[in-house]
Amino acid sequence: DTGVSQDPRHKITKRGQNVTFRCDPISEHNRLYWYRQTLGQGPEFLTYFQNEAQLEKSRLLSDRFSAERPKGSFSTLEIQRTEQGDSAMYLCASSLEGDSVQFFGPGTRLTVL
Amino acid sequence: AQSVSQHNHHVILSEAASLELGCNYSYGGTVNLFWYVQYPGQHLQLLLKYFSGDPLVKGIKGFEAEFIKSKFSFNLRKPSVQWSDTAEYFCAVNIPYNQGGKLIFGQGTELSVKP
Repeated sequence: DTGVSQDPRHKITKRGQNVTFRCDPISEHNRLYWYRQTLGQGPEFLTYFQNEAQLEKSRLLSDRFSAERPKGSFSTLEIQRTEQGDSAMYLCASSLEGDSVQFFGPGTRLTVL
Repeated sequence: AQSVSQHNHHVILSEAASLELGCNYSYGGTVNLFWYVQYPGQHLQLLLKYFSGDPLVKGIKGFEAEFIKSKFSFNLRKPSVQWSDTAEYFCAVNIPYNQGGKLIFGQGTELSVKP
């Protein structure tokens, strides 16, 4: 399967701990997006990269959140000092520059106890 | 700010019934429009898209959607639903050529089809 992959699929952590998620986009896609989805809501945009450059961050992305895409391939999303309100599904998507169609991964479900 | 509104949170239909899910967006300029579907236990998949041209677009599995610019709407339709259409449906927009192509989603409509 050459789609978008995310790891881990599930993460349970205690409040105050740091967590890191990984996303591997479709190999030829140079744009990578992170979204967050809570129960009963649609995905909300967090940030996106074009190659290794982080070009936009949502106001939803507090200082505790950081994302990287160091070599323009996979990306990581780190949440420091997790809070219960961070519990959500974190989705990654990728696309080609100039193509508006985004392909989504299976998501990482985070539960903060 | 742009927003997307889906009219129904949960729709319950019997097999063979017709389906129409409403979607309205707020943005005065040119938009790209999408419907994504999430089947139980699966990831979001593109159902259909509209960029330009014929406002009636056909997608996979017999779905279609009509873009009505004057109403800022992009409603999803299917003449006869099947049990396998049970899923959550999301309408989304993006602004072409700027804003990096981020998608703005509606809150989703859960469709339950009774056999």
